[in-house]
Amino acid sequence: KNEVEQSPQNLTAQEGEFITINCSYSVGISALHWLQQHPGGGIVSLFMLSSGKKKHGRLIATINIQEKHSSLHITASHPRDSAVYICAVGRDDKIIFGKGTRLHILP
Amino acid sequence: DGGITQSPKYLFRKEGQNVTLSCEQNLNHDAMYWYRQDPGQGLRLIYYSQIVNDFQKGDIAEGYSVSREKKESFPLTVTSAQKNPTAFYLCASSRGTPSYNEQFFGPGTRLTVL
Repeated sequence: KNEVEQSPQNLTAQEGEFITINCSYSVGISALHWLQQHPGGGIVSLFMLSSGKKKHGRLIATINIQEKHSSLHITASHPRDSAVYICAVGRDDKIIFGKGTRLHILP
Repeated sequence: DGGITQSPKYLFRKEGQNVTLSCEQNLNHDAMYWYRQDPGQGLRLIYYSQIVNDFQKGDIAEGYSVSREKKESFPLTVTSAQKNPTAFYLCASSRGTPSYNEQFFGPGTRLTVL
């Protein structure tokens, strides 16, 4: 079993829909990261959080430390949000990555 | 502009050849990392360095080597001992341990062994 599990693996939605991507982890962590990987391969850090909730524009990330679970929400989704979203957890000197959720927003 | 650069973007290698991937950062970050990404898998850590002249093996270090002679530079050599080197390679840096610091990624190098 992977230490970081994401669901769903693939998600296709219509423009404007509310999107939720889930991440569960099985190890003790210092922080949780949400990353976005564009089709060209570049990765951008979206959030780093260790408790509660963070918001940036149309993106919201939440974490429940007791349940070892985090969610990434996208409000009013747009085709430009199409990308792979990666959950990763910080532990000791390293990050452990999930396999990613491939999101495709249809116009 | 501060950031991380990787070169080349695409690299082709014949079997049995060593090849070196470049990674440079001007963010003044102490920590640097090399990851490998294969289709359908999460990023896997090859090597990391928390300070100049020091580095540690990650989860899949066999067949790879690194050096950290300067703070800004962390080149990765893929040796002929690496059994399946075709993959997408990403370099990253952070101010300190990624447990508490955001990681910044380079654009990646796609290596293909012919």
